Formats: sequence, C-alpha cells, structure tokens
Amino acid sequence: EDQVTQSPEALRLQEGESSSLNCSYTVSGLRGLFWYRQDPGKGPEFLFTLYSAGEEKEKERLKATLTKKESFLHITAPKPEDSATYLCAVQAPGGSYIPTFGRGTSLIVHP
Amino acid sequence: DTGVSQDPRHKITKRGQNVTFRCDPISEHNRLYWYRQTLGQGPEFLTYFQNEAQLEKSRLLSDRFSAERPKGSFSTLEIQRTEQGDSAMYLCATSPAGSTGELFFGEGSRLTVL
Repeated sequence: EDQVTQSPEALRLQEGESSSLNCSYTVSGLRGLFWYRQDPGKGPEFLFTLYSAGEEKEKERLKATLTKKESFLHITAPKPEDSATYLCAVQAPGGSYIPTFGRGTSLIVHP
Repeated sequence: DTGVSQDPRHKITKRGQNVTFRCDPISEHNRLYWYRQTLGQGPEFLTYFQNEAQLEKSRLLSDRFSAERPKGSFSTLEIQRTEQGDSAMYLCATSPAGSTGELFFGEGSRLTVL
C-alpha cells in the first residue's frame, strides 16, 4: 500500500531561521507529488506539483524538491505568516487521480 | 470564481441522528472528492466522482455513508445513524478535466457527534 511519511511532526522556528520539511514516499511509478498548506480550521491550499526526480518548484520563501524516495520543502527566512500545517500528497498510477496524504508537519514561526 | 463551497460549516448532532453535507464545486470542475480529516491527521480519502459517476469508494466509507452527485454538479454526503467516531472535518475538493491531480479544497464541514 502506498505510504507517505512526513517529518518532523512539528517544527518551531524563529523568524528568519531557514529549515526543511521532509516527505518520504513509497509508491511505484509516482505520477505526481503535491504540497499543500493548511491553516487552522480551513481546507488545504495547493502549493506545488512535482513529477520527476530532480525537479524543483519555488514560490516566495518556499522551494520544493523531489528525489526518487522523498521530497523536501525548504523554507528560507520564514515569517510568522508562514505558520501553518504543510501537507504532502502522492498520486500513484491508475485511472483515478486520487492523492494520498501524509499527516503533515505543523510549523510555527515565532517573531 | 467563487471557489469550492461547503455547507454547513459546522454541525453538532446527537448520536444516532442523520446528517447531510453539501458541496458546490468550482464551475466546470468535473472531478469531485470527499475526504475526512481528524485532528493531527492528514485528509483521508472517502469517495471520488467524475461528473455524476461515483468511480471510487474507500473502505472507510461504511454503509452508513452515502454520497451523490446528481447531474454532475453539486454533491451531497450523508451519514446515517451517526456515531461519536464520525466526528471530523469533512472536506470536499474538486479539479478540472485534464488536471494532473492538484485539488481545490473547500473550507470543510466540521461535524461534532455528542
């Protein structure tokens, strides 16, 4: 069965302190890997899609990378407004596009 | 574009009662998903529609759960004889035909079963 494991479960950073979140996956023939941001009490908000090893995507202070076994979400010089839960999801081959989500990493950035 | 709309946002009910949630997708999004999320967990897949056809159902979806998408537009998720374990956030997400899998989520419907 496809599995997605995110680490750490929680991360506290000081404003400006860069770090990375990890998403490890076990799926044969990855069709796509997705990163979402989720604020408390809200639905997830799509950030990035990565399709193949070596691919990178950037948006403001966030940069997502992908290898054959894991993905990293790098946060450079974070600000308090980056505080949220970051979810990773993977999509296996098949007729239906149904992403499987990890448990997420809860990020708190202190001013 | 008004985004994915879910109603109600919050529902408190007593054990044994039936509840129904509604999801209005982004117009022209033909794929619609229901997920369930509990505190500290990621969203868990429940069911998937392509237009009006329900193509996938998770094993999580017991016979107390039923979902419909008449005419391929809005969708409803009904839970019969609710149990305390049904307490969760129920998320609806949609995506357009040709999408490679990124989902657009609604704000969710939070269910509390007393």
